[in-house]
Amino acid sequence: QQPVQSPQAVILREGEDAVINCSSSKALYSVHWYRQKHGEAPVFLMILLKGGEQKGHDKISASFNEKKQQSSLYLTASQLSYSGTYFCGTGQGAQKLVFGQGTRLTINP
Amino acid sequence: DTEVTQTPKHLVMGMTNKKSLKCEQHMGHRAMYWYKQKAKKPPELMFVYSYEKLSINESVPSRFSPECPNSSLLNLHLHALQPEDSALYLCASSQPVSGFTDTQYFGPGTRLTVL
Repeated sequence: QQPVQSPQAVILREGEDAVINCSSSKALYSVHWYRQKHGEAPVFLMILLKGGEQKGHDKISASFNEKKQQSSLYLTASQLSYSGTYFCGTGQGAQKLVFGQGTRLTINP
Repeated sequence: DTEVTQTPKHLVMGMTNKKSLKCEQHMGHRAMYWYKQKAKKPPELMFVYSYEKLSINESVPSRFSPECPNSSLLNLHLHALQPEDSALYLCASSQPVSGFTDTQYFGPGTRLTVL
């Protein structure tokens, strides 16, 4: 079952913050976040496992609330390089990753 | 090294042609994947190989035929495709952890156009 992402699109100025949400109607065991730039491969950002953990590197972090069956990706002080489409993927059994419909992030100078 | 390579980068084929897409990884991963991605849509899983055996086939039409000759290589054989099969085909690899979906690393993709 496909997770639901919100918002579908975000436009920011450089330096502003953004939050992208990912929710599922099924129990979540793992949430995977990827960024894809136009014409390129999805690039892995981070994976969160059930247990309510929070992860981050640089100015991108994420949380995972398994009770609410949702994860959020936080982008702080956004840079131009953060532009792209962000996908969350939920692990549904061994080796099966189902992606949300994506959130298009545009960062303007 | 987290690189997955795919060839060719672009492919144009007619509906009667037979062609193959290739994918290679040298990360020691034992799970490999084919995804199809249409414009402005998420990647959709097609096939999963785990330890060189086909473990998931997401009801993909038989005109797509996957092959995993060894632990580093993955092929996708194409025959009698339709114009609606035009898409970006992505290969990925990961470690096949039991009962869990581990991090998947994607190749750059093959942009396929079917005329």
